[in-house]
Amino acid sequence: EVQLVESGGGLVQPGGSLRLSCAASGFTFSSYAMSWVRQAPGKGLEWVSGFSGSGGSTYYADSVKGRFTISRDNSKNTLYLQMNSLRAEDTAVYYCAKADCSGGTCTYFDSWGQGTLVTVSS
Amino acid sequence: QPVLTQSSSASASLGSSVKLTCTLSSGHSSYIIAWHQQQPGKAPRYLMKLEGSGTYNKGSGVPDRFSGSSSGADRYLTISNLQSEDEADYYCETWDSNTYRVFGGGTKLTVL
Repeated sequence: EVQLVESGGGLVQPGGSLRLSCAASGFTFSSYAMSWVRQAPGKGLEWVSGFSGSGGSTYYADSVKGRFTISRDNSKNTLYLQMNSLRAEDTAVYYCAKADCSGGTCTYFDSWGQGTLVTVSS
Repeated sequence: QPVLTQSSSASASLGSSVKLTCTLSSGHSSYIIAWHQQQPGKAPRYLMKLEGSGTYNKGSGVPDRFSGSSSGADRYLTISNLQSEDEADYYCETWDSNTYRVFGGGTKLTVL
């Protein structure tokens, strides 16, 4: 059974930094594209950042480009999101999501973590 | 880049059926999408992948009451015999080599 467990959320001041982690189990982590998706209070889902299926490329939403960095440690089956220069509008629940991958092509998200709350406030 | 449009809300009675719509933007009508369900206070849950042909593949454990269909740029999620636990937000998702991932704005389904 696929399990994704996020951690690292909390309260941080504007301009501060935070690192989120997502511990994965139940599948061959290194073979799958992984992403971070966030949801601001009362709002919809917003894709934030992700890895390609090969893990060689990273992608970012314009709203976080230059401030957030996604990384992964395949030896630890863990996905990370380093968030710098945080703003009030980054306040959200952050979800880790696994993409369905077949034959080198990765498509929709087929598994989600339970989320971790990040609050940016003074 | 693809844009997904969803109605903000829908409602239907317990035991009835409802059809939710996700519309792909011009030039992207052939795109495959996925439907996700988010019950109140919970994480999203993958429901199904839906192709432009109307072929769909559901995730593990998704009840038979959930089905998908397509017409042109429209992708539909139909829920039959509505149950109280179907009251949730429903999101469609697609992907693109340039924009990578896109979500629709979500439809809030109320079961009356």
